[in-house]
Amino acid sequence: GQQLNQSPQSMFIQEGEDVSMNCTSSSIFNTWLWYKQEPGEGPVLLIALYKAGELTSNGRLTAQFGITRKDSFLNISASIPSDVGIYFCAGQSETSGSRLTFGEGTQLTVNP
Amino acid sequence: DTAVSQTPKYLVTQMGNDKSIKCEQNLGHDTMYWYKQDSKKFLKIMFSYNNKELIINETVPNRFSPKSPDKAHLNLHINSLELGDSAVYFCASSQARRRHNEQFFGPGTRLTVL
Repeated sequence: GQQLNQSPQSMFIQEGEDVSMNCTSSSIFNTWLWYKQEPGEGPVLLIALYKAGELTSNGRLTAQFGITRKDSFLNISASIPSDVGIYFCAGQSETSGSRLTFGEGTQLTVNP
Repeated sequence: DTAVSQTPKYLVTQMGNDKSIKCEQNLGHDTMYWYKQDSKKFLKIMFSYNNKELIINETVPNRFSPKSPDKAHLNLHINSLELGDSAVYFCASSQARRRHNEQFFGPGTRLTVL
């Protein structure tokens, strides 16, 4: 089956630092999604990517759809304490129908 | 104006009991999902319904039975609850006719089996 490797598993950073996380897949995807989950809440969609090479921003967040269609990264610039949470990547392939494959998540901790 | 809602938020019960979790979405989507998130935070798909038709049915014990009375509602009934069923269960919805499947999640139901 499809597999997504998300790294790093966790990050401990100081407020103001930039953050980068990425996902790589064993399969080609036609959609990459990035979600954030805060404690006690459901995942919230941050950014959706639809084309290879696409670079999309949402405030301080920037994500890119890799050229090979097998990877994506998410950058957070000038982190703030409310960035704390678990960030998940998810991908959809041509053959998976409506099924999403999720990465294992990156736990982000921001120290003030 | 909640998009995807679930009830209850918390559910504490004894082993062997039967319980249900309800989900509703007001986004006009045609597809709904149940996910299980374990203690390691991994999101695992359990079921999906498209217009009341079951389209994804992962390897889940048959004690779990989803029901979709209409495309805006998806319920999950669990029989004979076991300790290992303790987890957070998320409902999600999407418009699957679109090529790109953006799923929107509910707030989750934390199930604790004692």
